[in-house]
This record gives sequence, structure tokens and C-alpha cells, in this order.
Amino acid sequence: EAGVTQFPSHSVIEKGQTVTLRCDPISGHDNLYWYRRVMGKEIKFLLHFVKESKQDESGMPNNRFLAERTGGTYSTLKVQPAELEDSGVYFCASSGQATTAFFGQGTRLTVV
Amino acid sequence: GQQVMQIPQYQHVQEGEDFTTYCNSSTTLSNIQWYKQRPGGHPVFLIQLVKSGEVKKQKRLTFQFGEAKKNSSLHITATQTTDVGTYFCAGRSTDSWGKLQFGAGTQVVVTP
Repeated sequence: EAGVTQFPSHSVIEKGQTVTLRCDPISGHDNLYWYRRVMGKEIKFLLHFVKESKQDESGMPNNRFLAERTGGTYSTLKVQPAELEDSGVYFCASSGQATTAFFGQGTRLTVV
Repeated sequence: GQQVMQIPQYQHVQEGEDFTTYCNSSTTLSNIQWYKQRPGGHPVFLIQLVKSGEVKKQKRLTFQFGEAKKNSSLHITATQTTDVGTYFCAGRSTDSWGKLQFGAGTQVVVTP
């Protein structure tokens, strides 16, 4: 069974540019989460999809962040325009209902 | 909203010693999951606890879920250098779709 895959693994962009991160969850997993870990600190919740619907987006920092989940399959997280404080590792996780969440390898975003 | 607190944030352990990390939720949880993240890696699922008062063991790791399903602990005996990493607990809410809320993690450093 394929795991959660994230693309790209690394991204270095300049302040003001746009970056789009992609997450492909495990097939059949309705729940998809985006998290961010900044500077080795805690894993902070960004948002939670159930299928194609945003169940909870209370963790999204501001309106520069836009997440979508097309047809309840893969998800994208766009940052536009990127700021220096957006640097960090963005993790995606997926799970079935009330089951274990599995994480992708993460995307390390560096904004310079 | 639901908050998950984890202590200590940092644990320096001599090889061979035992240590415990604690996780407390502000609300009753549906279940709790523990993850380990090695430096530079992504969170890897360790275990899920579901029942009130549940205790599970994985070799030198012992996981407990409190009677009120609001707190949990991870105890590691005879620490080894391979135990280095950050241990996260993640509480799942009791609503229909169960958002996972992570604690800040306990970063474990082991000295030989």
C-alpha cells in the first residue's frame, strides 16, 4: 500500500513568490490534515479535510494560505505571497475515520 | 477549543536510565496516538490508545491512557541511543470526524 506522498520535498523561494505544496493521501482515507513545524518546534495544526470539505481550518495563519482538496483525493496548499515566517516543514497526514493518521515525509519550505 | 499539552518539552537522559513524558488534554478524547520523529524525519506512528485506563507495551515503551481519557503517558525504560528523537502525543476529539491535535512534543537527547 502506498503511503502519504508529498511534493516537493524541498522548496526555496523568495519572499513575495508563490508556492504550492501537494499531498497525495493514502487511497480511501477521507481525513486529510495539514500541519506545520517551524524551527523544530511543535507540530501546529493548519486544517482538516473530510473528503473534499474543509472540516476545520482554524489553524490557517492568514489569508495568504489556501488549501484545496480536489474531488476528495489529493490536496494542495498554496502560499501567496510567501513571507519569511512561512518557512518550516509542512506535513500532510491522512487517516480513515477514527483510525491511525499516517504522515508524509513533509515539504521543507524556505523563504529567503 | 481542544488543547493538548505535553511535558517536559526537553529531556536529557543518560543511556540506561528511564524517563516519562506526559500528555494532557483540556477535553475528553476519543483516543490518543503517539508518534516519534527522528531528527530530519517525519512523525512515525507508534501506538494508539482507545480505552479508558488502557496500558500497552512495545518492548521498552509503556503507554498509558488515563481513566478520564484526558491524559496519557509514555514511559521508556533503559533508554538507548536509538531512542533519540521527539515524541509527540496527538489527541483525537470526540466529534464525528475527530481532528488530531498534537502536543508540543518532548525532545529526547540520550548521552552514552
